Amino acid sequence: DQQVKQNSPSLSVQEGRISILNCDYTNSMFDYFLWYKKYPAEGPTFLISISSIKDKNEDGRFTVFLNKSAKHLSLHIVPSQPGDSAVYFCAASLLMNRDDKIIFGKGTRLHILP
Amino acid sequence: DVKVTQSSRYLVKRTGEKVFLECVQDMDHENMFWYRQDPGLGLRLIYFSYDVKMKEKGDIPEGYSVSREKKERFSLILESASTNQTSMYLCASSPGGGGPYNEQFFGPGTRLTVL
Repeated sequence: DQQVKQNSPSLSVQEGRISILNCDYTNSMFDYFLWYKKYPAEGPTFLISISSIKDKNEDGRFTVFLNKSAKHLSLHIVPSQPGDSAVYFCAASLLMNRDDKIIFGKGTRLHILP
Repeated sequence: DVKVTQSSRYLVKRTGEKVFLECVQDMDHENMFWYRQDPGLGLRLIYFSYDVKMKEKGDIPEGYSVSREKKERFSLILESASTNQTSMYLCASSPGGGGPYNEQFFGPGTRLTVL
C-alpha cells in the first residue's frame, strides 16, 4: 500500500506560469517531507524540504506547503522555466530514525511549454 | 560537495550472469541505499545499510544481495540476472543519525539491461 502518493503522472505548464505539484501521504507519523528533482539519465537531486512543525518553506522560486490535517503537501514553482522540466518525487520520512529511510512517491513528470 | 559514484553508467548482461554494481561515497556517510527506478513505479528501495557489515531489506529485496565491507562502498549483487531486473539502479548515501538534514544524495545511476 502506497504511503506517499503523487496522483498526477504528468503535468504541463506554460513557461512563466506557476507549476503546482501535489502529494498526499497516509502515515500521520511522518514528520519530514522532501522534494527531489530528476533529469533523464541522472540521479535525483534534493530540491527542498519541510518539517512538520512548519506549514511553509520557501527557497527562491520553490515553495513547499504542508497541510497536516489533510496529509497533503504541494510544491509551487514560480515562475516556471524550461529547465524545470523534469520528474519530481515527493518523499516522507521520520526524523527520529537514524537510518534516514525515505518513502518516495511515484513521481510527476513536469513539462514546461514554451 | 557530496559525491556518490557508481561503477558503470550503462551495463548489458545475459540472463543467468552474476552482476555486481558498485557504489562509492566520499563524505563518510553512515547510511547507503540501493534503489531501482522503473516507469510508473517510482523509486523502490532494494536494500540499505546503516553501518559497515550491516544491511536491511527494503521493499523489493528478492533476487538481490548486498555487501558493505567498507564504510564508503556499498555493492549490489544480482546472483543470477533475469530480464525483469532490467532497470535503472540508483545508489544513495546520507549522513545518518536522524535530524533535519537526513536527505539522501544520489549517484548518477546505472542503466542495466539483461538480455
